[in-house]
Amino acid sequence: DQQVKQNSPSLSVQEGRISILNCDYTNSMFDYFLWYKKYPAEGPTFLISISSIKDKNEDGRFTVFLNKSAKHLSLHIVPSQPGDSAVYFCAASGGSNYQLIWGAGTKLIIKP
Amino acid sequence: NAGVMQNPRHLVRRRGQEARLRCSPMKGHSHVYWYRQLPEEGLKFMVYLQKENIIDESGMPKERFSAEFPKEGPSILRIQQVVRGDSAAYFCASSLTGQGALGETQYFGPGTRLLVL
Repeated sequence: DQQVKQNSPSLSVQEGRISILNCDYTNSMFDYFLWYKKYPAEGPTFLISISSIKDKNEDGRFTVFLNKSAKHLSLHIVPSQPGDSAVYFCAASGGSNYQLIWGAGTKLIIKP
Repeated sequence: NAGVMQNPRHLVRRRGQEARLRCSPMKGHSHVYWYRQLPEEGLKFMVYLQKENIIDESGMPKERFSAEFPKEGPSILRIQQVVRGDSAAYFCASSLTGQGALGETQYFGPGTRLLVL
């Protein structure tokens, strides 16, 4: 059973515009949500996280929004840059469990 | 990714052989996690270790797979008698305090890509 779902395998966005990546989850016990970015042939790199007690966290061009009632979070990147082209993973953790539960990823392509 | 080392980066094995994957965590980190990623899928947790202890191996197959993190040296993920289905990317991550439930960042290595012929 997939507790963390990223339903869009890929997303194409024009450079300079906003990129919005979505993630849904089913487990209401999750306390933290993290976004990781991954380039080909490299390991994931931490991008930004949000605690379940918040609904928004911002870091430069990256903002994560959390809607607990909908069990939905989104990552906004604005403005999008060519270097943002990568696979973005949503991950969750919580309760007494330190495990990260991962979505399948969304491949973001920034068009010049 | 800086600091977590994995080797080899690529490993080719024939069915029935053994695969040994190594991971050196970031300096000062004593918590290591192994994940497996199959094509077109997200990462799946396998095992969590501290120095000389396996804390949680609930994600690791019961047979053929083992992991260790000795007092000295890297963490090792060992796969005996490999089968084609073991072909995947194996990522190691490390963290400072093991507080993943509190959203602690895990830092990942570049991965080992295992191909079983």
